[in-house]
Amino acid sequence: AQKVTQAQTEISVVEKEDVTLDCVYETRDTTYYLFWYKQPPSGELVFLIRRNSFDEQNEISGRYSWNFQKSTSSFNFTITASQVVDSAVYFCALRENTGGFKTIFGAGTRLFVKA
Amino acid sequence: EAGVVQSPRYKIIEKKQPVAFWCNPISGHNTLYWYLQNLGQGPELLIRYENEEAVDDSQLPKDRFSAERLKGVDSTLKIQPAELGDSAVYLCASSLAPMADTQYFGPGTRLTVL
Repeated sequence: AQKVTQAQTEISVVEKEDVTLDCVYETRDTTYYLFWYKQPPSGELVFLIRRNSFDEQNEISGRYSWNFQKSTSSFNFTITASQVVDSAVYFCALRENTGGFKTIFGAGTRLFVKA
Repeated sequence: EAGVVQSPRYKIIEKKQPVAFWCNPISGHNTLYWYLQNLGQGPELLIRYENEEAVDDSQLPKDRFSAERLKGVDSTLKIQPAELGDSAVYLCASSLAPMADTQYFGPGTRLTVL
């Protein structure tokens, strides 16, 4: 069965610090997709990144970077030089290629960035 | 391009009352999802539509929940009668296709059942 674990419930950092949000997943499929979403206080989940299981290249987008490691079933997300506007709940999600393409979300990590 | 639209944004009702939520997906998106998000948790799928067909409703409590997407565009999710435990955020999302494509979410409807 598929499962996503975000062990960090809350993280608090001071502005300009780097912060890494952890995501560990379980799946028996060889083809799957991983996602990160941001949920600001307004409530809308904002798509950040999608990665398929065959692409283990790390990705950088501005201050955001993602580290995908199949060997440890992890898909961690790093924010460099955090800003107050980064304060939100971040969700990691997994979609398998079978089982109706259901997307399973982790419980989320709430990030507080203090000025 | 307009995003996923949901209404109302907030709803407060007494238990045992009916309630309905509406969702209009991104134009051209054939796949529509309804999710339930309890406080402090990630979204959980209730139902997925491909056009007007409900292809995955295994997590929808069918004794009190119903959904429809009659013309394959907008969708309505209904609860009748509502219970205290239904208090949550109901999220709608859409995607071009179910497998590879990214889901885009609406702002959600926050339901409070008193």
